[in-house]
Amino acid sequence: AQSVTQLGSHVSVSEGALVLLRCNYSSSVPPYLFWYVQYPNQGLQLLLKYTSAATLVKGINGFEAEFKKSETSFHLTKPSAHMSDAAEYFCAVSRDDKIIFGKGTRLHILP
Amino acid sequence: DTGVSQDPRHKITKRGQNVTFRCDPISEHNRLYWYRQTLGQGPEFLTYFQNEAQLEKSRLLSDRFSAERPKGSFSTLEIQRTEQGDSAMYLCASSLRAEVTEAFFGQGTRLTVV
Repeated sequence: AQSVTQLGSHVSVSEGALVLLRCNYSSSVPPYLFWYVQYPNQGLQLLLKYTSAATLVKGINGFEAEFKKSETSFHLTKPSAHMSDAAEYFCAVSRDDKIIFGKGTRLHILP
Repeated sequence: DTGVSQDPRHKITKRGQNVTFRCDPISEHNRLYWYRQTLGQGPEFLTYFQNEAQLEKSRLLSDRFSAERPKGSFSTLEIQRTEQGDSAMYLCASSLRAEVTEAFFGQGTRLTVV
């Protein structure tokens, strides 16, 4: 069954530094993959999605992710962190007509 | 605003009471999903509808939970005889197609059972 594993429940980076949030998927076929962001007491907002087109996917707010089949990974990156990026980030996969989420990674931005 | 809307945003109820939440999806979306999210966890799938038909229910959805989408538009999620363990954020999402290439989420309803 398709699922995702997010490595690190908390990640801290300094403002202006590279953001790297890790996600690995398990799937026998190339899945649809997503990254969502959630701010406190809010719903989820789609950052980007992979749907079997380009392996490097660009999303909103300067984020991007690269689908690597050989590593079964879909890591999220942003070259320069901003204080407003502090939030919870969820990697997710489409399975059986629904979206299944990872446990999330809370991103902390240090001034 | 034509996004997914949920009502109420917050609900505090006493243990044993019944509660009902409403979700209005994006108007042309056929698929509607309910998720539950507890503190520090990712959203967990509860159930989904294709138009008015409820196609799947998670084992997380006990007999005290019921969801409807009477005319294939808005949906309601009812919890009967609430328990403290039901305290969570309840999220609704909708998508246009059966093959989920994108789902749009509402702001959620935060339930606190005291």
